[in-house]
Amino acid sequence: DAGVTQSPTHLIKTRGQHVTLRCSPISGHKSVSWYQQVLGQGPQFIFQYYEKEERGRGNFPDRFSARQFPNYSSELNVNALLLGDSALYLCASSLVERDSGANVLTFGAGSRLTVL
Amino acid sequence: GQSLEQPSEVTAVEGAIVQINCTYQTSGFYGLSWYQQHDGGAPTFLSYNALDGLEETGRFSSFLSRSDSYGYLLLQELQMKDSASYFCAVRSYNQGGKLIFGQGTELSVKP
Repeated sequence: DAGVTQSPTHLIKTRGQHVTLRCSPISGHKSVSWYQQVLGQGPQFIFQYYEKEERGRGNFPDRFSARQFPNYSSELNVNALLLGDSALYLCASSLVERDSGANVLTFGAGSRLTVL
Repeated sequence: GQSLEQPSEVTAVEGAIVQINCTYQTSGFYGLSWYQQHDGGAPTFLSYNALDGLEETGRFSSFLSRSDSYGYLLLQELQMKDSASYFCAVRSYNQGGKLIFGQGTELSVKP
């Protein structure tokens, strides 16, 4: 079974450009979350989507947006790129939106974005 | 706010035991999770403590004490492949599926 797949794996952009990152969750998983991981730090929550609806948003500017499609895949869009947006962008899927348990997230390998 | 603190680096030798601590400041959370990440790859789930006490999974164990706002990950019989970054994470009440991660501890296992 395929795990969480993300594309592209690496990309380089210049300031002011726009980027779209894509994620396919594990088959049967309806929840997709996006995290930003800057080098040397832990992942920071950006968005969660469940059944195509936004269920949570982290402390990120409006330049960041996302959506989830009927097949549960997801896109993260970042407009007007800044140098500080350089990071590893991780997508994670889980079976349910939330529960009282571990809510284990299965992460993809990420998309490494470099903004020059 | 919510924050989790971990040591930035830990070094140990092959075959030894190492403990990675995590202290947190957060009100009301479901439990403490641990994730492992090799070389900036995909973080993978290791362990979860919903209740106080010790959870054991093979060579790895995790502990939680809510009264002390403290937890740890214990790795036994260290192997070179255990060299990685380890993150503690919590999911707070009223935060849906959002996980809040610590800054991570980079473990280096030496021969």
